[in-house]
Amino acid sequence: AQKITQTQPGMFVQEKEAVTLDCTYDTSDPSYGLFWYKQPSSGEMIFLIYQGSYDQQNATEGRYSLNFQKARKSANLVISASQLGDSAMYFCAMREGMDSSYKLIFGSGTRLLVRP
Amino acid sequence: DTGVSQDPRHKITKRGQNVTFRCDPISEHNRLYWYRQTLGQGPEFLTYFQNEAQLEKSRLLSDRFSAERPKGSFSTLEIQRTEQGDSAMYLCASSSHDIQGKASPLHFGNGTRLTVT
Repeated sequence: AQKITQTQPGMFVQEKEAVTLDCTYDTSDPSYGLFWYKQPSSGEMIFLIYQGSYDQQNATEGRYSLNFQKARKSANLVISASQLGDSAMYFCAMREGMDSSYKLIFGSGTRLLVRP
Repeated sequence: DTGVSQDPRHKITKRGQNVTFRCDPISEHNRLYWYRQTLGQGPEFLTYFQNEAQLEKSRLLSDRFSAERPKGSFSTLEIQRTEQGDSAMYLCASSSHDIQGKASPLHFGNGTRLTVT
């Protein structure tokens, strides 16, 4: 069964430094997609970055990059040059198959606090 | 792009009452999803629609829950005879999905926080 594991309930980072949020996944499907979402206290889930299982390069979106290690089944999110506005919950999620219902399985999340 | 909107933002109800939530997706998105998020957890899939057709329902969606998307635009989620265990954030999301099977990421609304007393 597919599963997402985020082992860091909470993380601190100093403003302007980089931080890595861990995510490991388990699936038997060779075709899958991995996502990271940010959830501020307002409650909205904000899409950050996507990595497909067949993508040759690690995904990057501005200050966000995804460290995709397929053999280790990990998809860690790296946030560079942290900002105070980055303080939020971060969720890793997975979709099995390339044309499924787009049903996402989420991890339990990591709360990131950026210190000034 | 006005985003996904949900109404109400908060709902407090007494056990046994019925509640209904509304979701307005991004206008050009043909898929609409409902998720439930309890405190300290990630969202859990409940159901999704492609246009007006409800294509998949989770086992989490008991017979007290019903979702509709009558004209393929907005959707409603109704919970009958609410129980305290129904207290959660109910998130709606939408995405576009073309005939080649390419899908956009899910765009979520701000959610409806339900408290059952």
